Amino acid sequence: DAGVIQSPRHEVTEMGQEVTLRCKPISGHDYLFWYRQTMMRGLELLIYFNNNVPIDDSGMPEDRFSAKMPNASFSTLKIQPSEPRDSAVYFCASSLTGVNQPQHFGDGTRLSIL
Amino acid sequence: QKEVEQDPGPLSVPEGAIVSLNCTYSNSAFQYFMWYRQYSRKGPELLMYTYSSGNKEDGRFTAQVDKSSKYISLFIRDSQPSDSATYLCAMSDYNNAGNMLTFGGGTRLMVKP
Repeated sequence: DAGVIQSPRHEVTEMGQEVTLRCKPISGHDYLFWYRQTMMRGLELLIYFNNNVPIDDSGMPEDRFSAKMPNASFSTLKIQPSEPRDSAVYFCASSLTGVNQPQHFGDGTRLSIL
Repeated sequence: QKEVEQDPGPLSVPEGAIVSLNCTYSNSAFQYFMWYRQYSRKGPELLMYTYSSGNKEDGRFTAQVDKSSKYISLFIRDSQPSDSATYLCAMSDYNNAGNMLTFGGGTRLMVKP
């Protein structure tokens, strides 16, 4: 079975541009999580969805960040306008429904804002 | 103080050594404990998953939980260069219907041939 798929793997863009990151969770998984990873702060949870509905977005740093999940097999994380401090690796993870199911991660999008 | 503490390393060991990786935590409600392995430029990969106290073994890997001390460990026997990666501990409390995890900052391990 395919794992969590993220695209693009790398993104380099200039400050002020809109950035869209994409994620396809594992089929049958009801939970989807977006994380950001930096050397300074480690893995930070940004937002998570259950059955396509956003449950907790308290980790989203600013209004410049938004996330959607239009269906069970696709989610996007958008940054508009982007800033150099948004440079990080962004991970998507998914898990089965049920209590304390482990999360399975994609290979991330390495984002550089110049 | 962070909820989950992990020595960032790097930890450098010779091939064949026994490796001990550790995390301490402050939330006594944590019941589920996981170890993830993250290779460079890859996502975290679930390695071990344990519930409550005790040991769990899987091949060369042993996960140990001491809830009384709020301390968990991952032991790697006969370490190999391919074990070189960052190891993240993660944990969650009972009745965590949202499947949210609290992660440690990760320990970077280097196994030298």
